[in-house]
Amino acid sequence: GAVVSQHPSWVICKSGTSVKIECRSLDFQATTMFWYRQFPKQSLMLMATSNEGSKATYEQGVEKDKFLINHASLTLSTLTVTSAHPEDSSFYICSATGGLAYEQFFGPGTRLTVL
Amino acid sequence: AQSVTQLDSHVSVSEGTPVLLRCNYSSSYSPSLFWYVQHPNKGLQLLLKYTSAATLVKGINGFEAEFKKSETSFHLTKPSAHMSDAAEYFCVVSSFSGNTPLVFGKGTRLSVIA
Repeated sequence: GAVVSQHPSWVICKSGTSVKIECRSLDFQATTMFWYRQFPKQSLMLMATSNEGSKATYEQGVEKDKFLINHASLTLSTLTVTSAHPEDSSFYICSATGGLAYEQFFGPGTRLTVL
Repeated sequence: AQSVTQLDSHVSVSEGTPVLLRCNYSSSYSPSLFWYVQHPNKGLQLLLKYTSAATLVKGINGFEAEFKKSETSFHLTKPSAHMSDAAEYFCVVSSFSGNTPLVFGKGTRLSVIA
């Protein structure tokens, strides 16, 4: 099946710094990518949808100025957590779809810990 | 609007006994339905999917699920649990196209007792 990678797999940063997470589709062109966050022992919550070459669509309650999403190419989307705070600590997961199939392919996730 | 309800937050079974994880959905459109598994600190793995073809769907690792429109259910079953099946399972609904977001259930944690 299609492969989606995320980098880094885990990151620890100080409060107030910014962190960038990359999501790459390795063997297909991803017209749409999604970003989810997952708190411990909870389900995945959609943060935003990004289509290549256009602005991301954010879910209600997600601050677009804090969670910057860029989908500059058909194989790469980035999520930047700006001025991170401890409450931003979470597991961030991306998924990608080429649009032709019903399936979204998930990355392995990035564990963010903000001290 | 679409939603998914996983009826059990935690299911515990003995190794070798059947597994049943229950899921009910609500959708304004003909839904696509999925079951994903997540092992601790890992990403999601697709177990199986229903996309308006056969109502009984067979997935990986011996899992299967049956789409019942009259009951708006998509329960996940496996005849015989294995220790390696212990994980978190998510029932997911989506609309017709793969370009639309997935809506996740809250998850069911499956424990397998030796």
